[in-house]
This record gives sequence, C-alpha cells and structure tokens, in this order.
Amino acid sequence: QKEVEQNSGPLSVPEGAIASLNCTYSDRGSQSFFWYRQYSGKSPELIMFIYSNGDKEDGRFTAQLNKASQYVSLLIRDSQPSDSATYLCAVRAYSSASKIIFGSGTRLSIRP
Amino acid sequence: NAGVTQTPKFQVLKTGQSMTLQCAQDMNHNSMYWYRQDPGMGLRLIYYSASEGTTDKGEVPNGYNVSRLNKREFSLRLESAAPSQTSVYFCASSEARITDTQYFGPGTRLTVL
Repeated sequence: QKEVEQNSGPLSVPEGAIASLNCTYSDRGSQSFFWYRQYSGKSPELIMFIYSNGDKEDGRFTAQLNKASQYVSLLIRDSQPSDSATYLCAVRAYSSASKIIFGSGTRLSIRP
Repeated sequence: NAGVTQTPKFQVLKTGQSMTLQCAQDMNHNSMYWYRQDPGMGLRLIYYSASEGTTDKGEVPNGYNVSRLNKREFSLRLESAAPSQTSVYFCASSEARITDTQYFGPGTRLTVL
C-alpha cells in the first residue's frame, strides 16, 4: 500500500464548477498535509497546508482534513482554465518532521 | 534571492557513467530533499537531510548517494547510471516546522541511454 494515494485522473470539470480532489494516507500519526499545484514542465508550488481536522479556506480553495478517516481533500470553487494542472497531495511523516511523502498526483482539466 | 538552484538543467548519460547533481538554497533552511518524478508517478523521495551533517533514506534510495556539504548545499550522486534512473530530479528545501512549506528548484532532466 502506498503511503499517500490519489486518483491519477484526468479529472475534467467545466469552467465555473467545483473541482474536488481527494487523497488518503496510511500513516495514522501524520500531522501536516499539503496541496501542491504543478503545471506541465514546472516545479510544484504550494497551494495550501492543513493540520487540524475540519476545513481551511483560502480564496477559491478549501482544504478538508479528516484524521479519523485518514483523508484529505481540496475543493476548487469557480474553476478557471488556469487551474488546469496536476495537483499533488503531500504528507509530513510522524516519524520525522523532515520526511515528506507525495502522492502520485491528480491531473485536473478545466474545460471552457 | 535565488531560492533553490539546481545544476545542470539537462544531462544525457550513457549506462554506467557517473555524475553529481548539485543543489543550493539561499533561504537558510535546515532541511533539504531530493525527489525524482516519473510520468504518472508523482514525486518520490530519494534522500533527505533534516539538518547539516545528517542524511536519511527516503522511498527510493537504491543507486544514489547524497552529501550535505554545508547548510546551503545538498548533492545527489549517481555512481553507475542505469536507464531506470531516467527521470526529472527536483531538489527542495524547508524549515521543517509543522506547517512550513517546501520550496522546489527548477529540476534536472536526466536521460540515461
């Protein structure tokens, strides 16, 4: 079982709709969770982090964390063509604050 | 500030050749990382260094060695390159506090023939 799992997609969403991206993790002691966006041929860049159960909102983005279910998600409201990218979920390991493991990423495509 | 820099940007090797990928950061971060990214595989952690003088294995360390030369620099060495090591390699750094982010370099695209 991979430590961090994501649906690889592609996920196609119409412009203006809500895109929902999901991630599960296996290390129950994990404390910090990150969402990165990566455009084709570019480096990953941080969108949001979350470490408490519940929702965290930042503009059009909402991260949701459920530690009991070992599940973290990212919602993108009012999706724009510029949101088309690969979204990577990352988890900071309990065993070492410096060890961060990524999922395989979900490719999101926003269709006009 | 340059952030995280990586050299070279592109490299082609023959099977069995060796090379070192260089990474440097100017943000005074304690932790540094090496990842590889293959199509459809996301980022896989090769090695990381929590602080100067320490290194630890990640998910896929076989065939690689690392050196944390000082706080700024973290190098990745391929002693005998294999075609399976064809990938894009990213270096990253962070403060490694509970909520801190990783900052990535531009990547090195390596092809092993």
